[in-house]
Amino acid sequence: EAGVAQSPRYKIIEKRQSVAFWCNPISGHATLYWYQQILGQGPKLLIQFQNNGVVDDSQLPKDRFSAERLKGVDSTLKIQPAKLEDSAVYLCASSLDFRGGSPFYNEQFFGPGTRLTVL
Amino acid sequence: QKEVEQNSGPLSVPEGAIASLNCTYSDRGSQSFFWYRQYSGKSPELIMSIYSNGDKEDGRFTAQLNKASQYVSLLIRDSQPSDSATYLCAVSYTGGFKTIFGAGTRLFVKA
Repeated sequence: EAGVAQSPRYKIIEKRQSVAFWCNPISGHATLYWYQQILGQGPKLLIQFQNNGVVDDSQLPKDRFSAERLKGVDSTLKIQPAKLEDSAVYLCASSLDFRGGSPFYNEQFFGPGTRLTVL
Repeated sequence: QKEVEQNSGPLSVPEGAIASLNCTYSDRGSQSFFWYRQYSGKSPELIMSIYSNGDKEDGRFTAQLNKASQYVSLLIRDSQPSDSATYLCAVSYTGGFKTIFGAGTRLFVKA
């Protein structure tokens, strides 16, 4: 079974530029998550999708970050304009279906991540 | 504010010993508890999940949950140098919303 795919793996940009990340979840997984992980910290949830709908985006800085999952499969996360403090690893994860009757459905599997450096 | 607390470490144990990693959480509405292992420069990898009070064993790993004390732990028996990594505790709340991760505990297993 193929895992979660992400691209690019690394990105270096200047502040105020824009950047986009792509994620393809495990086949059949309805729930998709984007996390931001700053060095030395745990992942912080930015946005959670159920199919193509947003479940939680309360920690997404909406003035500069946007995300979409138009067809309920792959997803893109965009930052525009980037700030120095956005330097982090952006992780995508997926789970079967967080609404499932058993917590088993909320087990999340992560992609390799995108390491973003903003100069 | 929902919080998940872990000792940042580093926790250092000799090869073959038992490593004990601890995690506390603030919200009694928590339902699902997960342990992830993260090697340096890699993404988190799910190693254990636990939903009910008590112990759950999988190979050398045992997860322990005590909801009354809002405490979850991970025991690694016969620790190996390859177990050296950061261990992240994650807690999901009712309905699968709001998975919160702790900052992780760094474990070093000395050969």
